[in-house]
Amino acid sequence: GDSVTQMEGPVTLSEEAFLTINCTYTATGYPSLFWYVQYPGEGLQLLLKATKADDKGSNKGFEATYRKETTSFHLEKGSVQVSDSAVYFCALRRSTSGTYKYIFGTGTRLKVLA
Amino acid sequence: EAGVTQFPSHSVIEKGQTVTLRCDPISGHDNLYWYRRVMGKEIKFLLHFVKESKQDESGMPNNRFLAERTGGTYSTLKVQPAELEDSGVYFCASSPPSLQETQYFGPGTRLLVL
Repeated sequence: GDSVTQMEGPVTLSEEAFLTINCTYTATGYPSLFWYVQYPGEGLQLLLKATKADDKGSNKGFEATYRKETTSFHLEKGSVQVSDSAVYFCALRRSTSGTYKYIFGTGTRLKVLA
Repeated sequence: EAGVTQFPSHSVIEKGQTVTLRCDPISGHDNLYWYRRVMGKEIKFLLHFVKESKQDESGMPNNRFLAERTGGTYSTLKVQPAELEDSGVYFCASSPPSLQETQYFGPGTRLLVL
């Protein structure tokens, strides 16, 4: 079945450091891919998405490129801020029987130090 | 516009007790979803309502879980009797009728079964 694997955390970085959170997936076909973020005390928020191979999703300085040859969707940011501290979830979306389901990874906690 | 709300934010109960979680979707959203994240693991789909009807309940773990959506508005998820392995965070999400793929998540209910 479909699955998403992302790097375990926590990831601790200093402010302005470069961030990479790895995400790979297993799925039939080419599902849409997503990164969600959960800030402390809040719900999951869509950070970015890509719906087909070679698409690049971007938002708030974060980027991720849909790579079908490596079945990956790694999240990157050139310079992190303290306010980026959160849990990041990689996900793919499947449609079955009229339902869109998200299949999530385990989440990666990011802590950015000033 | 208010987002998806969930109540309670936290619940601590003893094994064998009953707990009811509530989700209020965004007004006008016909689609309502329940997911859960068991400790340290991935977020998993539980079920999907379209208005008051269950469209897909393939992710419900067993018959101790009962979800309802009276009148197609708010939804409840009852766990009876609760077991230790039910501990985790239960997320609710909703989406508009014509944009099922864009799911808006609530902050989650953190359940601890002792």
